[in-house]
Amino acid sequence: DGGITQSPKYLFRKEGQNVTLSCEQNLNHDAMYWYRQDPGQGLRLIYYSQIVNDFQKGDIAEGYSVSREKKESFPLTVTSAQKNPTAFYLCASQRTSGNTIYFGEGSWLTVV
Amino acid sequence: LAKTTQPISMDSYEGQEVNITCSHNNIATNDYITWYQQFPSQGPRFIIQGYKTKVTNEVASLFIPADRKSSTLSLPRVSLSDTAVYYCLVLKANYGGSQGNLIFGKGTKLSVKP
Repeated sequence: DGGITQSPKYLFRKEGQNVTLSCEQNLNHDAMYWYRQDPGQGLRLIYYSQIVNDFQKGDIAEGYSVSREKKESFPLTVTSAQKNPTAFYLCASQRTSGNTIYFGEGSWLTVV
Repeated sequence: LAKTTQPISMDSYEGQEVNITCSHNNIATNDYITWYQQFPSQGPRFIIQGYKTKVTNEVASLFIPADRKSSTLSLPRVSLSDTAVYYCLVLKANYGGSQGNLIFGKGTKLSVKP
């Protein structure tokens, strides 16, 4: 089945810990994105990547880091520097010649 | 990228047609208008996309006037399961790059009542 897989669906983090959210796609898409969504709010862009080994900061990149070592994978690390990380995180991808963005099912991160 | 404006919320009843309008005054020549649907705790799902005039698929219709500064998503005969948030987005025709810093607003929260 083709698509975007995010894992885990729910994650709990203690304050001061780093956590990594996984995003894998088998759509052969070049571009990938990470968004954050707070309850009742819209989506805000954290990072995006157009090709392997390249990525750009979005509006709210502080406290987050990413890597793009493989075309299929775009993991997001929420570091301890992110002061308010509790949110719903969405990964998306886009094919090179397309003008549509496709989203994964999202991951909930809660700081306890 | 063009900023979009849409109503924060709308109410409807089952069986009615719902029209959600989005304004995008700064749309560029090569921009496409795209609508997404999002249910709680799920990723947004692509509904429909258009460039001009009218586009129809099995889920919705999209009406775009000649000046392309607004668009209307039309959902025929809504049901309770259409209760969701609907986002209007302007996407560039892509010829090899990403969309860059895509701006999502808060969307329109549609509530369908029995």
